[in-house]
Amino acid sequence: EIVLTQSPGTLSVSPGERATLSCRASHSISSDYVAWYQQKPGQAPRLLMYRVSSRAAGIPDRFSGSGSGTDFTLTISGLEPEDFAVYYCQQYGSSPRTFGQGTKVEIK
Amino acid sequence: QVQLVQSGAEVKKPGASVKVSCKASGYTFIDYAIHWVRQAPGQRPEWMGWINTGIGNTKLSQKFQGRLIITRDTAATTAYMELSNLGSEDTGFYYCARGDRYGFSELLPWGQGTQVSVSS
Repeated sequence: EIVLTQSPGTLSVSPGERATLSCRASHSISSDYVAWYQQKPGQAPRLLMYRVSSRAAGIPDRFSGSGSGTDFTLTISGLEPEDFAVYYCQQYGSSPRTFGQGTKVEIK
Repeated sequence: QVQLVQSGAEVKKPGASVKVSCKASGYTFIDYAIHWVRQAPGQRPEWMGWINTGIGNTKLSQKFQGRLIITRDTAATTAYMELSNLGSEDTGFYYCARGDRYGFSELLPWGQGTQVSVSS
């Protein structure tokens, strides 16, 4: 099983600033099958990024993803009020699919 | 629009079973897989398994082997997740989500979630 470790656990950022979230895998992830999801309280996760760096439909371009192998990054440039949430990375290259423990982005 | 609508909240006693439904609309049901993901309070999502809705075969996480069944009714465009021998650790939200037919894909969209509470 591939274990995903996200850092930091909590990120305090002011609106308009940049947030950089990290996701490290215990083994290399095949075919760059990494996704990022945003989750707000009481809601289901929402897909932001897939195949590391492709934005899902309707996701603004302030969200970007990068990385390969075992290290992946989600960057949010110019945080908007609606971006304060919990973010999870997920690998779907091997079974079982696994998720990171999440990074909470909170208002500073 | 593509939508997954799940059945309502459930309260179960330890040892019981729960069956959650996921009604799909807005696309050709058998062209996409349905995955099931659960999330305990304050925890990360946990992938449970998926079903190829076209041919009906499933792939389950080993963690749930023996007590998880995923099925589908193509005429009703609905997938089902049944988890048996429930314990308190099974309390949480259960989500269905759409993936591509080959199983290795991101999940979009997600159902609204079904809250399952297990308590004596």
